[in-house]
Amino acid sequence: AQKVTQAQTEISVVEKEDVTLDCVYETRDTTYYLFWYKQPPSGELVFLIRRNSFDEQNEISGRYSWNFQKSTSSFNFTITASQVVDSAVYFCALSVLSWGSGGYNKLIFGAGTRLAVHP
Amino acid sequence: ETGVTQTPRHLVMGMTNKKSLKCEQHLGHNAMYWYKQSAKKPLELMFVYSLEERVENNSVPSRFSPECPNSSHLFLHLHTLQPEDSALYLCASSQDDLRGYEQYFGPGTRLTVT
Repeated sequence: AQKVTQAQTEISVVEKEDVTLDCVYETRDTTYYLFWYKQPPSGELVFLIRRNSFDEQNEISGRYSWNFQKSTSSFNFTITASQVVDSAVYFCALSVLSWGSGGYNKLIFGAGTRLAVHP
Repeated sequence: ETGVTQTPRHLVMGMTNKKSLKCEQHLGHNAMYWYKQSAKKPLELMFVYSLEERVENNSVPSRFSPECPNSSHLFLHLHTLQPEDSALYLCASSQDDLRGYEQYFGPGTRLTVT
């Protein structure tokens, strides 16, 4: 089965706390891609990061960092020194090759984690 | 205009109405997608177009009819909808539909069926 699990439905923190959003995925493919998206109240999903299955290097971008561990099929996202503007729903997604009337890469989303950062 | 735009942003329609949602991407991408986002359900892929050809219809009821006249525009024609079709409809585009390129999303159309 191809599946993404975000076990944390909602997280509430106070500004300046660090917070980690968990993502566990399942796939039988050896080549796949992982993504994180942010959905603020305005509704638009904002792309944050893409990793391929052959690149296990962790990545840092400002206050954001991502930890990809193939051994545990996890792709966790940490926000350091959280801010009120980080309040949003965060989605982890898995992209695998799928076959409809043509082959294409299908994005499978987790259920999302709602993060509330309070002043 | 930049990125992916969608119109209208909000739509209220009766079950007997016919309406269309419009999506336009200004990124030079070759693939476009329609998603449905309902409360308390994961994002559901509806349709995928690659170079104006439909490559996926994810078991979507025929009351939803997509149209892709060119690689920059995507429409979703709606007719005789049901109240359970009320949702946020998101359009996305990517460089192509293979190799796991990231998808860029529009702001969505919030649809309410009365």
